[in-house]
Amino acid sequence: SAVISQKPSRDICQRGTSLTIQCQVDSQVTMMFWYRQQPGQSLTLIATANQGSEATYESGFVIDKFPISRPNLTFSTLTVSNMSPEDSSIYLCSVVWGRALEQYFGPGTRLTVT
Amino acid sequence: QKEVEQNSGPLSVPEGAIASLNCTYSDRVSQSFFWYRQYSGKSPELIMSIYSNGDKEDGRFTAQLNKASQYVSLLIRDSQPSDSATYLCAVNSQNFVFGPGTRLSVLP
Repeated sequence: SAVISQKPSRDICQRGTSLTIQCQVDSQVTMMFWYRQQPGQSLTLIATANQGSEATYESGFVIDKFPISRPNLTFSTLTVSNMSPEDSSIYLCSVVWGRALEQYFGPGTRLTVT
Repeated sequence: QKEVEQNSGPLSVPEGAIASLNCTYSDRVSQSFFWYRQYSGKSPELIMSIYSNGDKEDGRFTAQLNKASQYVSLLIRDSQPSDSATYLCAVNSQNFVFGPGTRLSVLP
């Protein structure tokens, strides 16, 4: 499977600021996703990060709030903009890998907004 | 809207018993099915994938798929306290849809 790393692993941020989360994969992958997981909840897909084009956002998520970059097939960033306490969550990047099209997750970024 | 449903639990089983986790899905054309284990504070870890009707075994884990009934299950034999986690069912039909997860507690 692909090895996925995320930075930072956790952060505490003030209301109104922005945080950029990085996701690095050790192999080239076509499909990369960003998820949010709030405490005690399941995974919510934020967007699909498309290489060389704008990300595809799910209902309820907008580019102004969650801008995503995907400059190449091994790297992506998610920015959480103008944060509020409601943005406190774990943010996960994932990739679909191999002929079996299995999805693997990075270790996550735990964000707390005060 | 495509849906994946699981009992939220918690499901409690004694150590050494068989834990049975169930999942139903709404999209009849789904082709790929996955089970993830998620420990508290950690990210989901893929433990089983299944694509054809029937059983697939991997160590203490057996995944069972019945496409006619739109049902997939995960059996954990000889359950250990270290199996205590939330188990997420995921279905892929053009895109991945995750269930809400079942919390499993294996009691020593």
